[in-house]
Amino acid sequence: AQKITQTQPGMFVQEKEAVTLDCTYDTSDPSYGLFWYKQPSSGEMIFLIYQGSYDQQNATEGRYSLNFQKARKSANLVISASQLGDSAMYFCAMTLYNTDKLIFGTGTRLQVFP
Amino acid sequence: NAGVMQNPRHLVRRRGQEARLRCSPMKGHSHVYWYRQLPEEGLKFMVYLQKENIIDESGMPKERFSAEFPKEGPSILRIQQVVRGDSAAYFCASSPGDRAHEQYFGPGTRLTVT
Repeated sequence: AQKITQTQPGMFVQEKEAVTLDCTYDTSDPSYGLFWYKQPSSGEMIFLIYQGSYDQQNATEGRYSLNFQKARKSANLVISASQLGDSAMYFCAMTLYNTDKLIFGTGTRLQVFP
Repeated sequence: NAGVMQNPRHLVRRRGQEARLRCSPMKGHSHVYWYRQLPEEGLKFMVYLQKENIIDESGMPKERFSAEFPKEGPSILRIQQVVRGDSAAYFCASSPGDRAHEQYFGPGTRLTVT
């Protein structure tokens, strides 16, 4: 069965520093997509970044980059130059290309301090 | 271009009442997904619908829950005879086709059962 594991319930980082949020996934399907979402205290789900299993390069979106290591089945999110507004819950998610449902991890709560 | 709309944003129901949650997808999107987020947990897939069709309801509880996406109007998630365990945030997402990496989330409906 497909599964997403986020082992860090909480992380702290100082403003302007970089932080890595861990995510590992489990699937035997060769075709899949990996996602990261941000959920601030207001509750909405904000899409951050997407990586396809066949993409050759790691995805980047502004200060966000996805460290995709296929052999290790990991898809860690790297946030560079952290800002106070980055404090939120972060969810890693996966979908298989023969289905359409997103499978979410349990999330990591990131707190950025001055 | 308006995003995914959900209403109400907050809904309070007494045990035994019915809850109706509405989702209007983004313009041009014909695919709708419903997810449930219990307190302090990640999102769990419930159901995937296209206009007038339920494509995947593998995440729906067998009783009391139903969903529809009529030809005209919003998608509706209906919960009959609500219980306290139904208290959660319910998110709707829409996509233009059967590609989950283009799912856009609404702000969610927070259901509280008293």
